[in-house]
Amino acid sequence: DADVTQTPRNRITKTGKRIMLECSQTKGHDRMYWYRQDPGLGLRLIYYSFDVKDINKGEISDGYSVSRQAQAKFSLSLESAIPNQTALYFCATSDLPGGFGTQYFGPGTRLLVL
Amino acid sequence: ELKVEQNPLFLSMQEGKNYTIYCNYSTTSDRLYWYRQDPGKSLESLFVLLSNGAVKQEGRLMASLDTKARLSTLHITAAVHDLSATYFCAVVGGTSYGKLTFGQGTILTVHP
Repeated sequence: DADVTQTPRNRITKTGKRIMLECSQTKGHDRMYWYRQDPGLGLRLIYYSFDVKDINKGEISDGYSVSRQAQAKFSLSLESAIPNQTALYFCATSDLPGGFGTQYFGPGTRLLVL
Repeated sequence: ELKVEQNPLFLSMQEGKNYTIYCNYSTTSDRLYWYRQDPGKSLESLFVLLSNGAVKQEGRLMASLDTKARLSTLHITAAVHDLSATYFCAVVGGTSYGKLTFGQGTILTVHP
């Protein structure tokens, strides 16, 4: 089984709808991240969490919110989806502290907002 | 603000040839990562470089880090088609407390 899983893998929604993307991990890592990927822009950090009680905004958090329900679960919500939120979304976990800080990525969720 | 720039952004190579991807970053960093992404897939960790002069090799790929020049290179030796992918460098810098800043990615295509 994959160490980092994301659901759904693909989602089509309409402008103004609220949607949630979910991430679960079995790696036992405290740190979790949400990124979005757009062609030519690499990955940009939306939110990150260093433990259940520590949640922080990344560089592009506007229009998004997150919830860290447990060490293993980190959800990303789009409160009112808009077309420019169409992107590929990745969840990641990190082996810091204690490791080299390598981030391990989930398979991604492809989101289309019409 | 930490900025990470890769070049080239697109690289078309013939099988058997050598080439280098460059990753420049703007502020002091104590660690740099290289990732590979196949089309439609997730990111896979290739290398972690933790100190000045660090060199890591895996198969036909070799990564190095020069912290004084704020530069990392990913060298490809005798390219094969299976290396076709997008390669990202990512940097932790300054007070970013474990956050990664990614380069734009280099799309590598290896032709017969």
